[in-house]
Amino acid sequence: GAGVSQSPSNKVTEKGKDVELRCDPISGHTALYWYRQSLGQGLEFLIYFQGNSAPDKSGLPSDRFSAERTGGSVSTLTIQRTQQEDSAVYLCASSLSGVYNSPLHFGNGTRLTVT
Amino acid sequence: GNSVTQMEGPVTLSEEAFLTINCTYTATGYPSLFWYVQYPGEGLQLLLKATKADDKGSNKGFEATYRKETTSFHLEKGSVQVSDSAVYFCALARTSGTYKYIFGTGTRLKVLA
Repeated sequence: GAGVSQSPSNKVTEKGKDVELRCDPISGHTALYWYRQSLGQGLEFLIYFQGNSAPDKSGLPSDRFSAERTGGSVSTLTIQRTQQEDSAVYLCASSLSGVYNSPLHFGNGTRLTVT
Repeated sequence: GNSVTQMEGPVTLSEEAFLTINCTYTATGYPSLFWYVQYPGEGLQLLLKATKADDKGSNKGFEATYRKETTSFHLEKGSVQVSDSAVYFCALARTSGTYKYIFGTGTRLKVLA
C-alpha cells in the first residue's frame, strides 16, 4: 500500500516475554520515527532513524528497548522482558527527508497489552 | 527543554459552533509548529503547519497562527461539523539538531448534530 504499515495491529503478551513490532514506511522516505502513546498521555518520542542509523535514540525508556532499521526501509522495535508499564500504542511514522518541515506520515499503530 | 502544552479535553460542541483549541510551546530557537489530527480508527495525519513567526497555517477550514510573542499556536475553526470529531495534537519540530517532533497530549473534540 501507499501508507505506513505496522504489524501486528494488536499484540497481547505475558509479562517477561519479548515482543517485536514492525514498521514498513512509505517507499523513499529516509526518516523513520517511533513514538509511544499511553492512555491519557501524548506521543512520547522513542527513536529517530535517518537511513539505517539512529542519530537520536534518547527516548528509549530502558535498555530493554531496542530498534533497528535495515535497507533504509523496514524497522523493528524490540522490547525484551516486557513489563505491564510497557502497555501502550506504539506508533511509527516516516517522512521524506527528516527535514524539520517535512510532514510525518503515521501508521495505525500496534496496540501492545502486557498481562 | 522543548515542550508543548495543549488544553485538556474532551471538548464537546454543537454543529456550527466556533472552535478554539489552545496550544502553547516552549522551545529554543525558532521551531516549526504543526497540528495533527487523528480521526476514529485512523492514523495521525497532518492538518496544518507554520514554519515561522506570524505564518498562518490553514486546511479544511481550520486555521492556526504562529505567535512568537505569546509562544502560541491555537487551532480555530469558525463552524465545526460532526465529521470534525477527532483527537487533535499540537506539535513542534526543532530547526536544528535532530529533527525530533514533540507532541502535546492531544485534545479530543466531539461535535454533536
